[in-house]
Amino acid sequence: QSALTQPASVSGSPGQSITISCTATSSDVDDYTYFSWYQQHPGKTPKLLIYNVNDRPSGVSSRFSASKSGDTASLTISGLQAEDEADYYCSSYTRTSTVVFGGGTKLTVL
Amino acid sequence: QVQVIQSGADVKKPGASVRVSCKVSGHTLTELSMHWVRQAPGKGLEWMGGFDPEEGEAIYAQNFQGRVTMVVDTSTDTAYMELTSLRSEDTAIYYCATDSVEVPATMFYWGQGTLVTVSS
Repeated sequence: QSALTQPASVSGSPGQSITISCTATSSDVDDYTYFSWYQQHPGKTPKLLIYNVNDRPSGVSSRFSASKSGDTASLTISGLQAEDEADYYCSSYTRTSTVVFGGGTKLTVL
Repeated sequence: QVQVIQSGADVKKPGASVRVSCKVSGHTLTELSMHWVRQAPGKGLEWMGGFDPEEGEAIYAQNFQGRVTMVVDTSTDTAYMELTSLRSEDTAIYYCATDSVEVPATMFYWGQGTLVTVSS
């Protein structure tokens, strides 16, 4: 079981906003150092969406935003589009100098 | 812009070893850490370990301790990952990815993935 827990699936209709949560279940990751989110379309390479909790790399749409509250981090996608249908993973550096991924969340655009 | 090119697909028998390479261009592996992530069919991402150029050594995930070795050849900016004692459960796509100088432990630039199939 991962030290980061995500819902297995979420869904939303085009134009809506959805939020994917990522909860730390281990004290190794509870300070969210170097916390990031990745998007992976079927059969494709993962892509960095968010780093340092809520920064976006150049080229990533502003429809993607993230935040942290307590032991839970969240990725929000606003103005949902069909192309957002993908798997989303959270990730964090840990106190033991390793990296962990959440189990992943499958986003379905209805 | 950093580009990462991985070696091609490979098929191995159980018990064998596999080595995957990643060639970086646009930056140097003397400054960037190279991470290795694998994804079994239909499964999520799993961090295997990473090579830290400042420390000059690799850190491995507990699940792979004793079976994996990660090295970097800074003269060619190529990273290598070797996994030994392969079993069918090691069938997966293996990705390498670099972080950035400013943000460690974050996978900014990914290789295209290398499919390793373990089958008798």
